[in-house]
Parts: sequence; C-alpha cells; structure tokens
Amino acid sequence: DSGVTQTPKHLITATGQRVTLRCSPRSGDLSVYWYQQSLDQGLQFLIQYYNGEERAKGNILERFSAQQFPDLHSELNLSSLELGDSALYFCASSPDSSGLYEQYFGPGTRLTVT
Amino acid sequence: AQSVAQPEDQVNVAEGNPLTVKCTYSVSGNPYLFWYVQYPNRGLQFLLKYITGDNLVKGSYGFEAEFNKSQTSFHLKKPSALVSDSALYFCAVRDSILTGGGNKLTFGTGTQLKVEL
Repeated sequence: DSGVTQTPKHLITATGQRVTLRCSPRSGDLSVYWYQQSLDQGLQFLIQYYNGEERAKGNILERFSAQQFPDLHSELNLSSLELGDSALYFCASSPDSSGLYEQYFGPGTRLTVT
Repeated sequence: AQSVAQPEDQVNVAEGNPLTVKCTYSVSGNPYLFWYVQYPNRGLQFLLKYITGDNLVKGSYGFEAEFNKSQTSFHLKKPSALVSDSALYFCAVRDSILTGGGNKLTFGTGTQLKVEL
C-alpha cells in the first residue's frame, strides 16, 4: 500500500458526460501528479500541483481540469467525454516539487466511456 | 526533452536465472532515473532510483540497477528471478519543467517480464 488513495476504482459513463476523479496523497506529501495510462499512448503525464498551486502541465486536454484543495487532496475533472478518454488514471504524490524524491502511485481509477 | 527507451517489449527468463531489463536515456543535464513495477490491475510501485553517487543502486525485492553514463543506460537487474517477479516494468526519467518550478516523470513504454518455472 503506497498510502495514496484514489476513488472511485472504476467508472463507467457515456460519451459527452462529465466525471470527477479524486486523489488523497500520502500524509505529508505536498505534490500531486496525475497520469493517464492507455494502451496506445502508454503512461502520459497530465498535470502537477504543489501545495495548492499548478506547477507543471503536460498533455492535458482542454476538456480536462484539475485542482488541489487546502487539505491537499486533488480532483481531476474530465468533461465532454469521448471514447478515447477510456483509460487508467493514476494519481501520485511526493514530498516536494524538486523531483528528487520518488513519486508514490495510487491504485488508479479505470474509466470506461461507452 | 528528456526521454527513456525500453528496447524490449518482453523478457522471458527461467526462475533462478539472472534477469536484466534494459533502459537507455536521453537527458540534458544530470539524469534522475527511476524504475517502477506494475502488477495486473495495480498501481505502479517504486523499485529504485539513481540521483547521484554509486553507479550500482540497490532497491526493493532484491532488484538493483546499474547506471552507465557513457552508454546512457540504466538497466534493471536481479541475480535470481522469481515467478512472482513477473510483471510490467517501467523505466522513467525526471523531467524538470523550469516554468513554474514543476517536474514530471517521463516513462518508457514498459517491458513485460515473464519468469517461468
């Protein structure tokens, strides 16, 4: 158990809908990262937050957004969903934003868009 | 941009034999390198990292990795493989994003390790 929790584990929804994925980092970690894992794209970085502020942005679509709250949990919002958004979404956390520490990953949320 | 390559999609090895999972990297500046393992329907588990120091890095579950600057490689090794080591292994490099002071991990495509009796 990495100490990073993600809910829900599975999500099935229809095209055009909006969903919210939730992540709680390890106790004491200030940085939260979101990654998408799909068969065709592999593991792709989406976005990083550090202590409530956005720090880095990757290949995140405009239909996707995220935030980190004062209690440090984070949410990833996916809207106008398309079939191609079906993937595993991982959250990871680390103590700071230096990149020197390993990131600890949650179990992931499997999103299926039908 | 930083990148890593895992040239083998799959590696097969007999239990008890040594295993090697290959990774090469391309970075500007000093490389920060990581290995993760993913079991079916699970998240990624951290195995080990190289930031600086000794070229041979020891990690979890008996795994180690050798950093070779001249060959820009960071191969994962284990002296004696177990059936339970069968999983998907990812090499990753830290990619610092100077704007905003952030960073991310850039992952390789993964290598499926199959250890057979």
